[in-house]
Amino acid sequence: EAQVTQNPRYLITVTGKKLTVTCSQNMNHEYMSWYRQDPGLGLRQIYYSMNVEVTDKGDVPEGYKVSRKEKRNFPLILESPSPNQTSLYFCAIGESGGTGELFFGEGSRLTVL
Amino acid sequence: QKEVEQNSGPLSVPEGAIASLNCTYSDRGSQSFFWYRQYSGKSPELIMFIYSNGDKEDGRFTAQLNKASQYVSLLIRDSQPSDSATYLCALNTGFQKLVFGTGTRLLVSP
Repeated sequence: EAQVTQNPRYLITVTGKKLTVTCSQNMNHEYMSWYRQDPGLGLRQIYYSMNVEVTDKGDVPEGYKVSRKEKRNFPLILESPSPNQTSLYFCAIGESGGTGELFFGEGSRLTVL
Repeated sequence: QKEVEQNSGPLSVPEGAIASLNCTYSDRGSQSFFWYRQYSGKSPELIMFIYSNGDKEDGRFTAQLNKASQYVSLLIRDSQPSDSATYLCALNTGFQKLVFGTGTRLLVSP
């Protein structure tokens, strides 16, 4: 069964405390990306990765970092979280050369106090 | 102007009726279009995609694409209460980046 696993699913933290949201896939897809979803703003892309060691900014990358050291994992790092990063985060994967559809993880709800 | 526009709704239809969801977009170069369904608190799940002008049917769902008018729509026949969700329209802007609309909330009443 195809799976995109995110951890943690829920997190409440405080401003400035570094955190990492992990994303792992078992589909051997090359493309991975992170989105955040906010009321009235919809899903917006934070970062994406076309393959191992290849990452690039999306539309809202400020305050985030990513790494892609191995194909199956694509962690999202918040070095110094702020309240405006309170959001619902989704990791999404896709097959390079496919029709372009993305498959989403279950989401991680992050609250920064 | 947003790249993908959707009416936020809610769109209310009775059970068994046809629900019609619409989406307009601004990028004429977009080649492929997607409809996702998202239940409250859950992740988006792909319903179908379309990249050619015209209709594409999959079970109770029909996607319609009109590139000249820059709109894509989703018809849900024989709507069921379980179809109540938010429907997200998305287009591929290249390199597998999907740009999403803010979604239309659909309510199907028994």
